[in-house]
Amino acid sequence: GAVVSQHPSWVICKSGTSVKIECRSLDFQATTMFWYRQFPKQSLMLMATSNEGSKATYEQGVEKDKFLINHASLTLSTLTVTSAHPEDSSFYICSAPPAGIDEQFFGPGTRLTVL
Amino acid sequence: AQSVTQPDIHITVSEGASLELRCNYSYGATPYLFWYVQSPGQGLQLLLKYFSGDTLVQGIKGFEAEFKRSQSSFNLRKPSVHWSDAAEYFCAVSFGNEKLTFGTGTRLTIIP
Repeated sequence: GAVVSQHPSWVICKSGTSVKIECRSLDFQATTMFWYRQFPKQSLMLMATSNEGSKATYEQGVEKDKFLINHASLTLSTLTVTSAHPEDSSFYICSAPPAGIDEQFFGPGTRLTVL
Repeated sequence: AQSVTQPDIHITVSEGASLELRCNYSYGATPYLFWYVQSPGQGLQLLLKYFSGDTLVQGIKGFEAEFKRSQSSFNLRKPSVHWSDAAEYFCAVSFGNEKLTFGTGTRLTIIP
């Protein structure tokens, strides 16, 4: 089946620093990838849709300048949390649908802790 | 408003007992329907999905779900739960390969 990886699996950073999270589709190409955020004991909330070759589409209430998304290639999307604060601590999960398949495959997630 | 509802935040069942997790949706058209399971600190695993056709869908790990258009429901069932089924379960909907919208989740606890 289609495999999506994320790196790193967990990261701890100091407040004010930036953190980059990678999402890769290992065995398929993805023109679109999705970034979700999950707070403890809560559901997944879509943050943005990453589009290869164009700007990302952000959900209402998500700060574009804080959560920078770059869909660098057909197999890689990155989420950069800029000037991170403790309230950005969360579980970030990406997903991608292979072309022609109406199903998304999820990465294992990245646990971000901002001190 | 368009939404996905999982009425039960937390369910506790005895090992070996049957299980039903509820999911209702509110959309103008019938979306694609999914059930995912998430173990603590882990990503999501797809249990089953419904796009069209037979309204009773079989999934992995012995789970099944039934789509009922009249009730706008897609409930997940398992005839006999195992301790390893303890996890968080999410119902989700989408239209095509567009973004998924998740329900709030149901935490399943299994007691011996």
